[in-house]
Amino acid sequence: GDSVTQMEGPVTLSEEAFLTINCTYTATGYPSLFWYVQYPGEGLQLLLKATKADDKGSNKGFEATYRKETTSFHLEKGSVQVSDSAVYFCALYNFNKFYFGSGTKLNVKP
Amino acid sequence: SAVISQKPSRDICQRGTSLTIQCQVDSQVTMMFWYRQQPGQSLTLIATANQGSEATYESGFVIDKFPISRPNLTFSTLTVSNMSPEDSSIYLCSVYIQSSGNTIYFGEGSWLTVV
Repeated sequence: GDSVTQMEGPVTLSEEAFLTINCTYTATGYPSLFWYVQYPGEGLQLLLKATKADDKGSNKGFEATYRKETTSFHLEKGSVQVSDSAVYFCALYNFNKFYFGSGTKLNVKP
Repeated sequence: SAVISQKPSRDICQRGTSLTIQCQVDSQVTMMFWYRQQPGQSLTLIATANQGSEATYESGFVIDKFPISRPNLTFSTLTVSNMSPEDSSIYLCSVYIQSSGNTIYFGEGSWLTVV
């Protein structure tokens, strides 16, 4: 069945460092891909999404490109801030169902 | 997008009691979902709640434990019945918006602690 695998955390970075959180997926057909962010004590917020191959989603300095050839949707940011500390979830939508990865906790230190 | 309000946002519950979580959406939506997020874990789908039909439960979740109502296109409730400490979780209401590119949006969550 469909599934999402993302890198385990926690990931600890210093402020202004480059961020990559890996996400790969298994799916039939043409799923849509998402990144959600969960700040401490809050629910999940949609961060960005891509609906077809080679699409790039972007928001708040974060980017992810839908790579069908490598079945990946890695999240990147060029310069992280302390306020980016949160848990990041990769997700896919396919045939009326959503699948979530296990989440990756990011800690950004000043 | 959609604005989703959940109540209560947090609660501490006694073992053996039941609690009903309310989810209000600012627009009419067909598909609503209830998820559970146990501490430090990912999301687990409890059930899909479509207006006008009974909720569809995922494996491991039953109606007697998690009864759901969906009286109209903007509102749903999830009841956690006969609670035990293992039910301590965040319960998240979410809605599916097809016009937003097959996206689901989440409420802020209801953080339940069972003692």
